[in-house]
Parts: sequence; structure tokens; C-alpha cells
Amino acid sequence: DVKVTQSSRYLVKRTGEKVFLECVQDMDHENMFWYRQDPGLGLRLIYFSYDVKMKEKGDIPEGYSVSREKKERFSLILESASTNQTSMYLCASSYYEKQYFGPGTRLTVT
Amino acid sequence: DQQVKQNSPSLSVQEGRISILNCDYTNSMFDYFLWYKKYPAEGPTFLISISSIKDKNEDGRFTVFLNKSAKHLSLHIVPSQPGDSAVYFCAASANNDSWGKLQFGAGTQVVVTP
Repeated sequence: DVKVTQSSRYLVKRTGEKVFLECVQDMDHENMFWYRQDPGLGLRLIYFSYDVKMKEKGDIPEGYSVSREKKERFSLILESASTNQTSMYLCASSYYEKQYFGPGTRLTVT
Repeated sequence: DQQVKQNSPSLSVQEGRISILNCDYTNSMFDYFLWYKKYPAEGPTFLISISSIKDKNEDGRFTVFLNKSAKHLSLHIVPSQPGDSAVYFCAASANNDSWGKLQFGAGTQVVVTP
């Protein structure tokens, strides 16, 4: 079974803080993705990575950056958290089109 | 501009009856479609998929139908069970996308009542 883990289930941060969200997959997948899920908007792609040190912007990259130093690990970074980044963050890894998701991190920025 | 649309935000159905979830898409390059199920405080889990070369795919109680000319797909759940209460996301992948990126719809909240 594919396992995707995320470092925190719930996180509360203050405006302006730098926030790191970590994701680890155990299936040697090449591709990894970061989404945010908001009511009425579904899942929106923030960034994805197709190899170590390689990254591409998704549909809503503003205010975010990513890091992939090892194949199994993909980090999402909020450089200066803002209240409009309060959301559920979901990490996924994929084998072809089939994506496997982690449990999500509910981030609240106050 | 959402390329995958689920126009029904919610659906209530009685246990034992059929649930029909609809999804429309606008991008004619989409050639692979997936349905995911999501419980609160959990990540989405893959449910069923269909390639554009087919018009139907079945897996137990779940059947997905694809109408390419109408750019429409639907998920049928028969019979519906209380454990099916969840948010269902439709997703699509384009044949010119080598990274397997998915475009997701907004989701449909299904509530199965006893």
C-alpha cells in the first residue's frame, strides 16, 4: 500500500511567520504535488515536482515555494503566512495519473 | 476558469437507493478521468477511473459513465450505503500532460440517510 504522510494534522501560525509543511511518500514515485482545498473550490494545485530539485508552478503558486532535496520528500513553504492562506493542505504522489494523497494539514493563520 | 465542474454541491439519498453524481469538463484534451472520495479530516482516496477510449467502467457498486461528445461523466453508486457519505471529487488528466497533473472539480457532498 502506498503511504503518504504529512508532518502535522493541525497547525496554527501567526501572520508573517514562515511555515514549513513536510510530505513523505514511500513508493519511489517520481511526481509529487501540493494542493490546497477550500470549500466550493475543490483542490487547487500549488506546485508540483517531477524529480529531485525539479519543480513547476501549479495554478496558484503565489505566496508559496517548495523544496525537493530527496525523492521521497516534498516540502511546501509559506514565506510569510497570511490569513488568506488558512486552508487544508494536501500532498500527493503519483504513479501515472493516479495520485495518492496524504491525510492533509489543516493550517490556520491568525 | 474551472475546466472541471461539479454543479451540484450536495446530494442527499436514501440508503439502498442510487446516487448519481455528475461532472462536466471543458477541455477536449482530457482523456483520463478519476473519481476520488474524501472523508472529513482525511485525504482523498481513489475510487474509480475511466479512459476516454471507454464509455463505462464498473467496480462493484460504483460505475462511471463517460459521454465524450457531451464532455460529461457521471458516477453511479448502487445501492448507496451510510459509509458512502463523503465528498466526491471528479478529476481529469490531459493527454498532452506528461506529469500526470489532475484538474479537480469543486466536489459534491453526498449524505446517505437511513
